[in-house]
Amino acid sequence: GDSVTQMEGPVTLSEEAFLTINCTYTATGYPSLFWYVQYPGEGLQLLLKATKADDKGSNKGFEATYRKETTSFHLEKGSVQVSDSAVYFCALMTPTGTASKLTFGTGTRLQVTL
Amino acid sequence: DSGVTQTPKHLITATGQRVTLRCSPRSGDLSVYWYQQSLDQGLQFLIQYYNGEERAKGNILERFSAQQFPDLHSELNLSSLELGDSALYFCASSVAGGLSEKLFFGSGTQLSVL
Repeated sequence: GDSVTQMEGPVTLSEEAFLTINCTYTATGYPSLFWYVQYPGEGLQLLLKATKADDKGSNKGFEATYRKETTSFHLEKGSVQVSDSAVYFCALMTPTGTASKLTFGTGTRLQVTL
Repeated sequence: DSGVTQTPKHLITATGQRVTLRCSPRSGDLSVYWYQQSLDQGLQFLIQYYNGEERAKGNILERFSAQQFPDLHSELNLSSLELGDSALYFCASSVAGGLSEKLFFGSGTQLSVL
């Protein structure tokens, strides 16, 4: 079945450090890939997405490139801020009959300190 | 604010009881998803509805059921509750449940089974 594997957290970084959160996936066909972010006490919000191989999703300084050859979608940011502290979820969406199913990774908690 | 409304925000009940969680999707969204988030299982897809019809089923227990009403709001019914059902239950909506669509998440219902 479809699955998403993320690096385990928590990840603790100092402000302005470079961030990488690894994500690899297993899926049949050609999934769409997403990063969602969950701030404390809130629901998930879409951060970025990519729908086909070699697409790069970007938003708020975060980037991720859909790598079909390595089945990866690693999240990167050049300079993190304290306000980026949250839990980040990698996810893939695949067709299921007439529907689409979104499968999440376990989430990676990021803590950014001053 | 995602536009997805979930009620109640918190629910405390006892084992063996039955509860109903409610979700109002964003205006215009036809598809509703239910997810369960717990520390040990992560974010698990439960079920998806589209315009009143069940579209996809995930790891939903037989003790759980859901429906989407003509006004597009959805309810998740949890019965014969067990301690392990304690979790954060999220509802999400999207326009049509398509493959690369963005999901909008509510802020969740925290269920505590004592």
